[in-house]
Amino acid sequence: DIVMTQSPDSLAVSLGERATINCKSSQSILYSANNKNYLVWYQQKPGQPPKHLIYWASTRESGVPDRFSGSGSGTDFTLTISNLQAEDAAVYYCQQYYTYPLTFGGGTTVEIK
Amino acid sequence: QITLKESGPTLVLPTQTLTLTCSFSGFSFNTNGVGVGWIRHPPGKALEWLSVIYWDGGERYSPSLRSRLSITKDTSKNQVVLTMTNMDPVDTATYYCGRRSRDNSGYYRFPFDYWGQGVLVTVSS
Repeated sequence: DIVMTQSPDSLAVSLGERATINCKSSQSILYSANNKNYLVWYQQKPGQPPKHLIYWASTRESGVPDRFSGSGSGTDFTLTISNLQAEDAAVYYCQQYYTYPLTFGGGTTVEIK
Repeated sequence: QITLKESGPTLVLPTQTLTLTCSFSGFSFNTNGVGVGWIRHPPGKALEWLSVIYWDGGERYSPSLRSRLSITKDTSKNQVVLTMTNMDPVDTATYYCGRRSRDNSGYYRFPFDYWGQGVLVTVSS
């Protein structure tokens, strides 16, 4: 299984500041056929299903504010939330879909300081 | 409009078998590449993928739960059923179903591009 390790477990960020979440996979999730990293970032709020923010590691989903950005390749990935807004308080997960079993990171809770 | 909805018991006794149904609309298993899968979210823990079934009948399972899971589809009813045997309190979670679908280039952009709202299943005596 590919193990997804997220860090930190939680962070508190002031409004308008930047939040950085890291995700490391235990093996490369770069698919050579299309040169895409099979990693997605989700935002989840209480009582709601996860919402896609970023797919293929760095492509922002339609309608997602541009303060959310994804980067990285191979085994190391980052989600950056710039200019943090109150509505960004949530739990964020990474997930690899390169191979089965599909695996998630442990989640990072973002709180407003 | 694509929608998925999970249904099933909200309370299950330990050792019982859980049967969940995902009813969907706006797409069908007659489309090449389509899959419907299950993911769960135990309270206070991380998300966990469980299983997926594809348009061609192909099935995949979480290795850690393989012996307890079975997934089937009814193409005519637009439904997918997941059964999990020998339920335990640690299986208490919100269970979601989601759709897999390829983009125009033939690749999966997302693990699951549409999700249901989920159903909370509590395992307790």
